[in-house]
Amino acid sequence: KQEVTQIPAALSVPEGENLVLNCSFTDSAIYNLQWFRQDPGKGLTSLLLIQSSQREQTSGRLNASLDKSSGRSTLYIAASQPGDSATYLCAVKSNNNDMRFGAGTRLTVKP
Amino acid sequence: NAGVMQNPRHLVRRRGQEARLRCSPMKGHSHVYWYRQLPEEGLKFMVYLQKENIIDESGMPKERFSAEFPKEGPSILRIQQVVRGDSAAYFCASSPRAGHSGANVLTFGAGSRLTVL
Repeated sequence: KQEVTQIPAALSVPEGENLVLNCSFTDSAIYNLQWFRQDPGKGLTSLLLIQSSQREQTSGRLNASLDKSSGRSTLYIAASQPGDSATYLCAVKSNNNDMRFGAGTRLTVKP
Repeated sequence: NAGVMQNPRHLVRRRGQEARLRCSPMKGHSHVYWYRQLPEEGLKFMVYLQKENIIDESGMPKERFSAEFPKEGPSILRIQQVVRGDSAAYFCASSPRAGHSGANVLTFGAGSRLTVL
């Protein structure tokens, strides 16, 4: 049974800092891993998708890595901005079509 | 338990026609989510529904798209006057609890692939 854990649960940083969000999963037999952003009262915004055969994906100031063998993914945010404040969710899709989300990391970037 | 059932699996429409995609959630699940997947892209959230209620439709295009989850029957994603850009895979997921986080597991259907000619 796949379990997804995100650490830390909450993070507060000053503007401009680089930061790393962590996601770990227990079953390495995954189909893909996706990072989402969730703003209060809103649905999900897809940030980055990493297929099981890939090691990283980049989009602007975001970089996500995947180490399937160790069951880990990181989301790196460079030069953080107040607009980056949101909850970041990691979701792992298994080969059986189930998708399990982590509990999220609530990020606050202070001006 | 048959899982999340989506039909049709494949749908071909001409521009201007209507597309209706159906989703029957897993037994015991009262929360339904619709996502769209464009080629080579990840899932993009569209709408989240409970029975007879739209909880969050922030990912739905403002025009031509609508969704419902009636008291009886499957959830329906309806696309009116389809255009070529609507060609995508549409996935439905259901869960026993609300939301996208924590221990809540979303079970996905196999998807409905819409092709607009």
